[in-house]
Amino acid sequence: GEDVEQSLFLSVREGDSSVINCTYTDSSSTYLYWYKQEPGAGLQLLTYIFSNMDMKQDQRLTVLLNKKDKHLSLRIADTQTGDSAIYFCAEIVRGSYIPTFGRGTSLIVHP
Amino acid sequence: ETGVTQSPTHLIKTRGQQVTLRCSSQSGHNTVSWYQQALGQGPQFIFQYYREEENGRGNFPPRFSGLQFPNYSSELNVNALELDDSALYLCASSTTLAGKGTDTQYFGPGTRLTVL
Repeated sequence: GEDVEQSLFLSVREGDSSVINCTYTDSSSTYLYWYKQEPGAGLQLLTYIFSNMDMKQDQRLTVLLNKKDKHLSLRIADTQTGDSAIYFCAEIVRGSYIPTFGRGTSLIVHP
Repeated sequence: ETGVTQSPTHLIKTRGQQVTLRCSSQSGHNTVSWYQQALGQGPQFIFQYYREEENGRGNFPPRFSGLQFPNYSSELNVNALELDDSALYLCASSTTLAGKGTDTQYFGPGTRLTVL
């Protein structure tokens, strides 16, 4: 079955790196995504990774995928107060086009 | 800002009533998906419309229905409202079917529905 889990909260100091973790259960995941949701707004796609990749870097964002452990992480370098938001990971499994989202990790960045 | 708009922003209804939520897709997008996001949860896929036809459905009862119009705007209708229908309803538009990896879904800001 499909299940995506994330820790609910992460607090970091401005300028530090943030690492948000996600685990999933379906080994046939084909695409894995990270979305950001700011208060009162919809979801913004930050980045995605194909299941045949181990890592993807996009400016301050680094995504790591460990297929053996079914673990996905999002690292934000030099975290800023504007990065404070809820971050969702989502997967799409082979043969489907319906994304399954985690419950979201609330990132709090303090000075 | 994504160019996807939703109306109304907020809505309060009572149990048993019916509600219609509206979404205007980003220009050029022929696919729209609707999601329900309960408080403290991630979005759950309701259904998707592609070129005016329902293309897929999540685990939601038939009282959740939708329409997509030739101009690619869309409606979500919910009949016989229940308390558990209280949530943020998000629509997302894209140029092709959701799940094609690189095809970005652009989300609207959502409609907050409260059922009393």
